[in-house]
Amino acid sequence: DQQVKQNSPSLSVQEGRISILNCDYTNSMFDYFLWYKKYPAEGPTFLISISSIKDKNEDGRFTVFLNKSAKHLSLHIVPSQPGDSAVYFCAATENNAGNMLTFGGGTRLMVKP
Amino acid sequence: NAGVTQTPKFRVLKTGQSMTLLCAQDMNHEYMYWYRQDPGMGLRLIHYSVGEGTTAKGEVPDGYNVSRLKKQNFLLGLESAAPSQTSVYFCASSYSREQFFGPGTRLTVL
Repeated sequence: DQQVKQNSPSLSVQEGRISILNCDYTNSMFDYFLWYKKYPAEGPTFLISISSIKDKNEDGRFTVFLNKSAKHLSLHIVPSQPGDSAVYFCAATENNAGNMLTFGGGTRLMVKP
Repeated sequence: NAGVTQTPKFRVLKTGQSMTLLCAQDMNHEYMYWYRQDPGMGLRLIHYSVGEGTTAKGEVPDGYNVSRLKKQNFLLGLESAAPSQTSVYFCASSYSREQFFGPGTRLTVL
């Protein structure tokens, strides 16, 4: 049973508009969440994270929102740029997990010029 | 700093052959991990290590072995490759919850 799910395998957005990527989780012990970005033929790179004590974290064009009651987080990219086209993975971990991450299946974002 | 490097980048094996994937990191991280990535399944943890000389099983350890003889290196071995092990393998390291990934090894087992 997948503890972290990204239900949209792909998303297409026009350049300049907002991209919203969603992630749901089932394990209530998760207390830290991360988003990674992956280009083809490269390894994932860390993008942004959020602790469960917060409901929002912002870094430039990227904002992550956390709704603990719904066990849902989302990544907003505003404005979207063609260079944002990549696969985005959300990941979660809990305090006693030895820094191990549980990943979602990924969402492929395509930003059209 | 090179970060996390992986050797080789590509490999084709026949069923039953063995091979070792090498991961090296120069960030002095205690934790190292091996993942496999398959379409639609995200990254699944194979084995991990919390320090030199230690290893532990992850979510999908069957058919793989690992060793961490030196802090900077983490080796992933396939003793008898199977077509189900065709995948992209990523190594990662960390000192906290943020993990740093290598560029990956694409392995095909025929």
